[in-house]
Amino acid sequence: QLVESGGGVVQPGRSLKLSCAASGFTFSDYGIHWVRQAPGKGLEWMAHISYDGSKENYADSVKGRFTISRDTSRNTLFLQMTSLRTEDTAVYYCVRAVGFRDLTLDYWGQGTLVIVSS
Amino acid sequence: DIQMTQSPTSLSASVGDRVTITCRASQTIGSFLNWYQQKPGIAPRLLIYAASSLLSGVPSRFSGSGSGTDFTLTISGLQPEDSATYFCQQSYNHPATFGRGTKVDI
Repeated sequence: QLVESGGGVVQPGRSLKLSCAASGFTFSDYGIHWVRQAPGKGLEWMAHISYDGSKENYADSVKGRFTISRDTSRNTLFLQMTSLRTEDTAVYYCVRAVGFRDLTLDYWGQGTLVIVSS
Repeated sequence: DIQMTQSPTSLSASVGDRVTITCRASQTIGSFLNWYQQKPGIAPRLLIYAASSLLSGVPSRFSGSGSGTDFTLTISGLQPEDSATYFCQQSYNHPATFGRGTKVDI
């Protein structure tokens, strides 16, 4: 199970930190992604962190603004979002990664809604 | 980045129909193609991975095929609960990229 939290309404330019609590599997064995979905739109990959936290990847649209991290002792994934823009408004999902290059997304959280608005 | 082009954008079909959704990659991706189902207000669910492998628990009326750049998702014998949006995603290279989705109405 993956349970996201931390979403809410935030003003443009401000910061927000999302959390994703994992249970039911060995968290330290899996890479995890953040994927977002703007209202009524498709799926957009945001960031990925490897099973041991040694590698991170980011979408160009958030590189330098968002930071993915993980705390294995707490079985928790984080997404620190800074300099938020209105176009960052979306439901943010954390998703477990499996397979070749960690690019198959097999279990999804329920999502947390971030609204960036003044 | 690898672009994924999915068609059609939407379709309407009847219970029992056979439905086909196509997905094309902008470069060859072997069989590194996944399909997801998303119902309104619910997170996506992985249906098919590696182009044609059904995830455990997914009804056998779902099938996937293709390799290289062209892929299809087929639903044989459409059921009311299949009303959803379906997304393809390439799992060949970072970043993961998705098709824009196909909304299936019944």
